[in-house]
Amino acid sequence: GAVVSQHPSWVICKSGTSVKIECRSLDFQATTMFWYRQFPKQSLMLMATSNEGSKATYEQGVEKDKFLINHASLTLSTLTVTSAHPEDSSFYICSARFPARGSQYFGPGTRLTVL
Amino acid sequence: AQKITQTQPGMFVQEKEAVTLDCTYDTSDPSYGLFWYKQPSSGEMIFLIYQGSYDQQNATEGRYSLNFQKARKSANLVISASQLGDSAMYFCAMVDFRLRADSWGKLQFGAGTQVVVTP
Repeated sequence: GAVVSQHPSWVICKSGTSVKIECRSLDFQATTMFWYRQFPKQSLMLMATSNEGSKATYEQGVEKDKFLINHASLTLSTLTVTSAHPEDSSFYICSARFPARGSQYFGPGTRLTVL
Repeated sequence: AQKITQTQPGMFVQEKEAVTLDCTYDTSDPSYGLFWYKQPSSGEMIFLIYQGSYDQQNATEGRYSLNFQKARKSANLVISASQLGDSAMYFCAMVDFRLRADSWGKLQFGAGTQVVVTP
């Protein structure tokens, strides 16, 4: 199957700093990537849809100025959590949609802890 | 709007037994897809099985089968011959194929069911 990577796999940062998470499709080009957030013992909640070359589409209730998404190439999307606070601590997972087929492949996730 | 419901927060199942995980969905669109994912404690999302709304037969993938009852809007996952490694969180998800192109493939997840397989 297709491979999607995320970097870093975990990160601890101080409150007020910004953190960038990368999502890469390693063996296919993904025009669309998705960013999810998951709190412990809860389901995945879609944050935004990232389309290459255009602005991301954010779900209702997600602050676009806080969660900056950039999809600069067909294999890379980045999520930047700006001015992170402890309540932003969560598991962030990206997925990449395989073109034409519509299958979605998930990255391994990034665990963010904000102190 | 779509909605996915998983009514079983957690289940214990004995090794080698079969287990059925419930999933019901709500959509008014005729073209959609249903997925089941497994999430072990490591956090990675592992794709298990897929059922398209127009598929005539129930999907099967090894020990996994999907009991698709379209009229009831249910898509239950059956795991046969459970193994200790099956202990994980299981999520049902749906995609609406009639969304516009830049949102195509957007998944909506159910709350999940925690499965614990005991020896």
